[in-house]
Amino acid sequence: KAGVTQTPRYLIKTRGQQVTLSCSPISGHRSVSWYQQTPGQGLQFLFEYFSETQRNKGNFPGRFSGRQFSNSRSEMNVSTLELGDSALYLCASSFPGNEKLFFGSGTQLSVL
Amino acid sequence: GENVEQHPSTLSVQEGDSAVIKCTYSDSASNYFPWYKQELGKGPQLIIDIRSNVGEKKDQRIAVTLNKTAKHFSLHITETQPEDSAVYFCAASPNSGGSNYKLTFGKGTLLTVNP
Repeated sequence: KAGVTQTPRYLIKTRGQQVTLSCSPISGHRSVSWYQQTPGQGLQFLFEYFSETQRNKGNFPGRFSGRQFSNSRSEMNVSTLELGDSALYLCASSFPGNEKLFFGSGTQLSVL
Repeated sequence: GENVEQHPSTLSVQEGDSAVIKCTYSDSASNYFPWYKQELGKGPQLIIDIRSNVGEKKDQRIAVTLNKTAKHFSLHITETQPEDSAVYFCAASPNSGGSNYKLTFGKGTLLTVNP
């Protein structure tokens, strides 16, 4: 069974640009969550989607947004990039009614 | 909101020794406590989890204990091996309407197992 797949693996952007990251959950998983990981702040929850609806949201500015498609694949978008947005962005999926989260390998975003 | 403290931040042990990592949480509504292992270049991997109605859970060399009254939980790794070297994260989550997807993580423990 394939795991959570995130693309691209690495991204380099400049300040002011926007970026879109993609996540394909494990087959059958309908909930997708996104986390930001940095050396200083650790792992922080961004948002969670279930059946194409945002169900939970963390404490991040509106520049961070996401969506989920009918096939449960998800994308997150960051607009007007800032240097502080440099981080590993992790996607996790879960089977309906099961609390266990399974993470992908992440997308390493560098903002120059 | 929930706050999770994790100690120590680094831990070095000899192969075969035991390792213990401790976490405390602040929100009494939290009832799900997973532990993740993250190796370099990879995402966090779930290694064991426990719910608040259970005091202890064991899976081979790994065990987790939970003290709800004191709001702390611990990861115990016995007979450590070099491949156990990684960063370990504890996390906590409240059961909000059946969704445990909003995890609050500790800052992590870098475990080094010396051969």
